[in-house]
Amino acid sequence: EPEVTQTPSHQVTQMGQEVILRCVPISNHLYFYWYRQILGQKVEFLVSFYNNEISEKSEIFDDQFSVERPDGSNFTLKIRSTKLEDSAMYFCASSSSVLSSTDTQYFGPGTRLTVL
Amino acid sequence: AQSVAQPEDQVNVAEGNPLTVKCTYSVSGNPYLFWYVQYPNRGLQFLLKYITGDNLVKGSYGFEAEFNKSQTSFHLKKPSALVSDSALYFCAVRDMRQAGTALIFGKGTTLSVSS
Repeated sequence: EPEVTQTPSHQVTQMGQEVILRCVPISNHLYFYWYRQILGQKVEFLVSFYNNEISEKSEIFDDQFSVERPDGSNFTLKIRSTKLEDSAMYFCASSSSVLSSTDTQYFGPGTRLTVL
Repeated sequence: AQSVAQPEDQVNVAEGNPLTVKCTYSVSGNPYLFWYVQYPNRGLQFLLKYITGDNLVKGSYGFEAEFNKSQTSFHLKKPSALVSDSALYFCAVRDMRQAGTALIFGKGTTLSVSS
């Protein structure tokens, strides 16, 4: 069964450093997403991406964050200058169709980001 | 406001007994509802969804959920629990305030099934 994959599984960085989290969505899926889960809190939506542009973003997704689909398979989340409060589990997801509101999102295993 | 609530942090049930994990929602317009499960060190796995139609939705691993519009609930159920069902369960609703791509998640309910 096709799966969303994410690398690395755990990333440790110093405050102020840039990090790039990588995801390979399910092949032939069209919509891509990033969510995060701060330890002990809810899973929160960050951004959705379709047709090489941001479809929707939350207020969390400020100028420090950017997303990119650099090639036909990868989807990345970049945090330009990490803060302590960026420490969280980051989940990538993808869905297959343009009927985004009813379609199922399939999630990857997550990348745990620790900012020191 | 669009939101989803899971009133129980933890549900304990004995193996073989029926289980229910509760979820209530608040949306404007039609609700698109989802259940996901998270096992330790794994991502969120899709269980089932309600979009329209039959109020009883069947999903993976023997789970089902009942959509109740009057009570704004979408409780997850299974007739006979297994120890392997022990995990963290999330209810989610589509946020239709903008493009309708985002999911709003509840805080999660830990299900513990004892043998």
